[in-house]
Amino acid sequence: AQSVTQLDSHVSVSEGTPVLLRCNYSSSYSPSLFWYVQHPNKGLQLLLKYTSAATLVKGINGFEAEFKKSETSFHLTKPSAHMSDAAEYFCVVRNSGGYQKVTFGIGTKLQVIP
Amino acid sequence: NAGVTQTPKFQVLKTGQSMTLQCAQDMNHNSMYWYRQDPGMGLRLIYYSASEGTTDKGEVPNGYNVSRLNKREFSLRLESAAPSQTSVYFCASITGASSGNTIYFGEGSWLTVV
Repeated sequence: AQSVTQLDSHVSVSEGTPVLLRCNYSSSYSPSLFWYVQHPNKGLQLLLKYTSAATLVKGINGFEAEFKKSETSFHLTKPSAHMSDAAEYFCVVRNSGGYQKVTFGIGTKLQVIP
Repeated sequence: NAGVTQTPKFQVLKTGQSMTLQCAQDMNHNSMYWYRQDPGMGLRLIYYSASEGTTDKGEVPNGYNVSRLNKREFSLRLESAAPSQTSVYFCASITGASSGNTIYFGEGSWLTVV
C-alpha cells in the first residue's frame, strides 16, 4: 500500500524564522517524492522533487527537502520565511513499480505572520 | 510551451446539467490524470489514462466519464451534475521515469453546481 501523511494541517511561523513542513510516506516500490505549492485560487507549482539521486534536494524559492529512507520522511524546510510563502503545500509520492500510482497528502497550510 | 491547458477555468452549472472539462498537454506525455480538490481532503484521483486508448477509474469515479481522445487530450464529462460535484478540478500529465516522474498540473477548473 502507498500513503502520504502530512503531519500538520496548519503551520504558523513569523516572517524571517525557519519553516518545517513534515511529510512521512509509505511505498512498496522505490518512490519519487515531490513537494508542490498552491497559492489561493491557483494551480499547483512544483517546488522540488526527489528521484533517487541526492538525498538533499534543493528547490525553488529557497526551499529544500531531505529524503530519509530509514525514517520514511521527506520534510520540507526553508531557513527564513517570507510573506510570499503563505500558501498550501502538498507532499506527493509516486512509485516506480508496474502501476505508477500517485498519492497526495492532504496538504499543510502555511501562515506567515509579519 | 503551454504545458497543461484546461478549460473552462470557471463554470456554474444547474443540477442535472452536463458539461465537459477539456485538458490538453503539449509535452508528449503518455500518462494523464483528472483530480478533484476539496477542502481538507487534498487531491483525489477521479480517472487516469496510462496511455492513449486506455482509461481507468481512480478513487472517486462515480458521476464522471472520461475520454482519451488522442495522446494530447483527456476530457472529463459530468453527465448529470450534482451539488456534490462542486469542486476544483485539476488535470495533470506525468513524465516517464527517465525524466524524473514529474507531475505537471493545469491551472484548475472551478466548478459550482447549484
